[in-house]
Amino acid sequence: QQQVKQSPQSLIVQKGGISIINCAYENTAFDYFPWYQQFPGKGPALLIAIRPDVSEKKEGRFTISFNKSAKQFSLHIMDSQPGDSATYFCAASHNNAGNMLTFGGGTRLMVKP
Amino acid sequence: DAGVTQSPTHLIKTRGQHVTLRCSPISGHKSVSWYQQVLGQGPQFIFQYYEKEERGRGNFPDRFSARQFPNYSSELNVNALLLGDSALYLCASSFEPKGQVHFGNGTRLTVT
Repeated sequence: QQQVKQSPQSLIVQKGGISIINCAYENTAFDYFPWYQQFPGKGPALLIAIRPDVSEKKEGRFTISFNKSAKQFSLHIMDSQPGDSATYFCAASHNNAGNMLTFGGGTRLMVKP
Repeated sequence: DAGVTQSPTHLIKTRGQHVTLRCSPISGHKSVSWYQQVLGQGPQFIFQYYEKEERGRGNFPDRFSARQFPNYSSELNVNALLLGDSALYLCASSFEPKGQVHFGNGTRLTVT
């Protein structure tokens, strides 16, 4: 059972553009939603995370938008750069499950110069 | 500061063999989790340990086992390897069970 669905699977954006990746979840007990960035040959690196008590969180060029009623959240990368080219994963966990993360399927982002 | 360290980085085993993967968490982190990442997919949770006790288990067969040592390092053991066990095995640590999770670079296991 895939509890976190991520789209699109791949994304091509021009340098300076906005990259948008979407995730939808099913388990209403989820209360922590991180995004991870993974480069080839490396482990996932925590990028930004949000809890459902806020609708938006911004850190530098990265913004998470959260819609609790729709059970959806998204990552926006502003002014996308070629160095942002990586695979991005959304994830979710709930308070009673410690740091047992349920991951989406990933989005391969390519930023063209 | 050293991040999560895993060893070995790569491993090739034959079907039916046993494998042990090792993980050292970030200094001060007491919780360790293991994930399996098949090529092209997101990581799948296998185990979480905190203070040497199992705190969570994912949907994996009993061939998979793990333990955590007094110094908070951890081992993941897989018995009777199958071709489908070929994957990147990721270790993650956090200060406490509900803290931010930081991943190592993984062990790439190939079963032939």
